[in-house]
Amino acid sequence: AQKVTQAQTEISVVEKEDVTLDCVYETRDTTYYLFWYKQPPSGELVFLIRRNSFDEQNEISGRYSWNFQKSTSSFNFTITASQVVDSAVYFCALSGSNTGNQFYFGTGTSLTVIP
Amino acid sequence: GAGVSQSPSNKVTEKGKDVELRCDPISGHTALYWYRQSLGQGLEFLIYFQGNSAPDKSGLPSDRFSAERTGGSVSTLTIQRTQQEDSAVYLCASSPGQGAGANVLTFGAGSRLTVL
Repeated sequence: AQKVTQAQTEISVVEKEDVTLDCVYETRDTTYYLFWYKQPPSGELVFLIRRNSFDEQNEISGRYSWNFQKSTSSFNFTITASQVVDSAVYFCALSGSNTGNQFYFGTGTSLTVIP
Repeated sequence: GAGVSQSPSNKVTEKGKDVELRCDPISGHTALYWYRQSLGQGLEFLIYFQGNSAPDKSGLPSDRFSAERTGGSVSTLTIQRTQQEDSAVYLCASSPGQGAGANVLTFGAGSRLTVL
């Protein structure tokens, strides 16, 4: 089965705090891709990152960082020194080599950054 | 175009009417997806087109839903005899389908459908 679980439905943090959004996935594929998308209040989903299953290196992009651990089937997303503009719904997604190019999205985590 | 364009952005219709939602993907993108997002929910896969291959219709919730993609570009999602439970935001996304960014989706702003 292909599945993505984002257990955190809503998170609120005060500006400048760090916050980690959890993503746990299930797949039988040996080759797969993991993604994070951001959906701001304006509604349009924006691509943040893609990771393939052969690359477990963590990635940092400015205040954003991603921790990919195959041992725990997790692909967590950390925002350092959060800002009000980070307020959005964040979706984690999975696409496998044997799933016919389907994407499996988690239910999203709504992040509110309080000024 | 520069991005994925969807129209209309908002549609209010009466129960039982048919609606058509349009998606214009990024030029050159061979893959096109339709998703449905209900209020506060995740993304529900509806249908996937890849080039000239037969579409993957496995996500369509009923035979009232259909979609086509003409000339490998513009796609239309049609909902017949709309029901109140069809109210949602319908999202279209496209991806290159090949190359380094083959499976990176670019989403449109969505079409918000309200069935009264």
